[in-house]
Amino acid sequence: GENVEQHPSTLSVQEGDSAVIKCTYSDSASNYFPWYKQELGKGPQLIIDIRSNVGEKKDQRIAVTLNKTAKHFSLHITETQPEDSAVYFCAALYSGAGSYQLTFGKGTKLSVIP
Amino acid sequence: GAGVSQSPRYKVAKRGQDVALRCDPISGHVSLFWYQQALGQGPEFLTYFQNEAQLDKSGLPSDRFFAERPEGSVSTLKIQRTQQEDSAVYLCASSLAVLRGTEAFFGQGTRLTVV
Repeated sequence: GENVEQHPSTLSVQEGDSAVIKCTYSDSASNYFPWYKQELGKGPQLIIDIRSNVGEKKDQRIAVTLNKTAKHFSLHITETQPEDSAVYFCAALYSGAGSYQLTFGKGTKLSVIP
Repeated sequence: GAGVSQSPRYKVAKRGQDVALRCDPISGHVSLFWYQQALGQGPEFLTYFQNEAQLDKSGLPSDRFFAERPEGSVSTLKIQRTQQEDSAVYLCASSLAVLRGTEAFFGQGTRLTVV
């Protein structure tokens, strides 16, 4: 099965600075990599995703990069705002034997200091 | 509906009690997933349905856990003889079609506390 490692586990940045969260995955067959934001007491919310045939994707202040060779993908948040404070999870879609599993990292708690 | 709906939001069960957790996916979504999220951890896969077929139940921790989706829409996760280690948030997600790696949308979860 797939294994996803996520770093750092906690991250504090000043408002307006950038934040970067990095993940690695183990299964080269994984082809879809979403990022989720989870606020306290809520379910994970998809914020951006990238497929294996793309190296980079950007949506306003959020960007994701993928290095298939190194099996790395990263989330970049620019011009951080206090409302960006939450736990962020990366995930990799593993498919095999007719099943499809999203395997999650352990999460990064981002704190944006006003 | 507008999103994935889960009920109840909170459930307190006495050890040994059976519980049933309900998930209403987004209308028309073929794929449905159940995840277990322990405090401070990422979601862990439990089981996957494609329509009414349970294609993968490899993540279910024990035979006390059972999931069904009889008509390919609403799903129920049942836990028999609950134990303290079952305390967690149980998340349901649905997706229009997994093959193309389309987005999975999560519900708010059911927080289960076993006392």
